[in-house]
Amino acid sequence: AQKITQTQPGMFVQEKEAVTLDCTYDTSDPSYGLFWYKQPSSGEMIFLIYQGSYDQQNATEGRYSLNFQKARKSANLVISASQLGDSAMYFCAMREDNAGNMLTFGGGTRLMVKP
Amino acid sequence: DAGVIQSPRHEVTEMGQEVTLRCKPISGHDYLFWYRQTMMRGLELLIYFNNNVPIDDSGMPEDRFSAKMPNASFSTLKIQPSEPRDSAVYFCASSTLQEVYNEQFFGPGTRLTVL
Repeated sequence: AQKITQTQPGMFVQEKEAVTLDCTYDTSDPSYGLFWYKQPSSGEMIFLIYQGSYDQQNATEGRYSLNFQKARKSANLVISASQLGDSAMYFCAMREDNAGNMLTFGGGTRLMVKP
Repeated sequence: DAGVIQSPRHEVTEMGQEVTLRCKPISGHDYLFWYRQTMMRGLELLIYFNNNVPIDDSGMPEDRFSAKMPNASFSTLKIQPSEPRDSAVYFCASSTLQEVYNEQFFGPGTRLTVL
């Protein structure tokens, strides 16, 4: 079974609108962390936001927020007020704390922001 | 502080040749990761090190791949002999438990083309 599933291969959003990128995960480890990374066309991987499994509140970083629904095992990324520079691939990843210090990545979602 | 440094940025070689990719992690980081990214398989962890010791190499595709970390500031990923199916972008990343989220910082990647 896939540990990280991103069901949206590609998405469009109008500039200045908000967009939600979906991520579901599968783990039996009670302690884990969820990460989102951005990969623009230039290729680098940029860390955006983190949510720990024991965190009581949803993580926020500027225009990025994480809609964490633990019971549903989902960790959707919300980008508010989209900008043209947000056009990129977005990857969700999980670290299971009892499985070593490594990340498992989803297949990614390509976000395209329309002017 | 400089980020993760990888060299070369691009490598084109012929099938059967030896390829060596290099990585310098962020100073003070004690974890180093090698990933491979392809369209078909996405982002895969190949191997990771902690304090220069390989911890998990279960992602290394086959004996043609080897990785070393002779000291805290240098690692290599070697492919010998190379094959066209090895064509991919290879990322090196580093991290430390001292960072709040223990997030991985990625290098710019090496784009490998095997003809």
